[in-house]
Amino acid sequence: AQRVTQPEKLLSVFKGAPVELKCNYSYSGSPELFWYVQYSRQRLQLLLRHISRESIKGFTADLNKGETSFHLKKPFAQEEDSAMYYCAPTSGTYKYIFGTGTRLKVLA
Amino acid sequence: DVKVTQSSRYLVKRTGEKVFLECVQDMDHENMFWYRQDPGLGLRLIYFSYDVKMKEKGDIPEGYSVSREKKERFSLILESASTNQTSMYLCASSLYEKLFFGSGTQLSVL
Repeated sequence: AQRVTQPEKLLSVFKGAPVELKCNYSYSGSPELFWYVQYSRQRLQLLLRHISRESIKGFTADLNKGETSFHLKKPFAQEEDSAMYYCAPTSGTYKYIFGTGTRLKVLA
Repeated sequence: DVKVTQSSRYLVKRTGEKVFLECVQDMDHENMFWYRQDPGLGLRLIYFSYDVKMKEKGDIPEGYSVSREKKERFSLILESASTNQTSMYLCASSLYEKLFFGSGTQLSVL
């Protein structure tokens, strides 16, 4: 069965500390992986996709096919990074599987 | 900018009522989706549509139906609302696998 796991419901870090949001997936084929983010009182939006290999707002995500992981990382967390983060693989068949989400709180 | 508009931000309905949630996108996207978002459960796909009048069930379609008569509009219908359908409902459209979300409708069924 296709599944995505975000093991932390809540992650609290201090401002300036590194942050890593974990995502593990079990998916047939070669999925494309995404991270979506929802800031307070804003709509859910795309943060980054692995195929782009880009850094958005200082975040990067490395696809590890051996470990089937797609962890989201940022070396120095900022208060404005506080949000809900969702990992979402898709195989291009219109069906996205979203993880249960991790709430990141960056403390001053 | 892509705009996905959900007609209501908050709705309060009574058990047994028929409820319509409307979603409109302005970018001529083929694919549209309805999700519900619940704390601790993440986003779960209810239905999606890949063309006008075409629809497929998602992971939790029970108690819901959808309608897509025009490309830009995708409606979610709760045939007989129940309290366990109290949730945040998110509409999305997609282009090349990137999802664009509406701002959501918080539905409370009393």
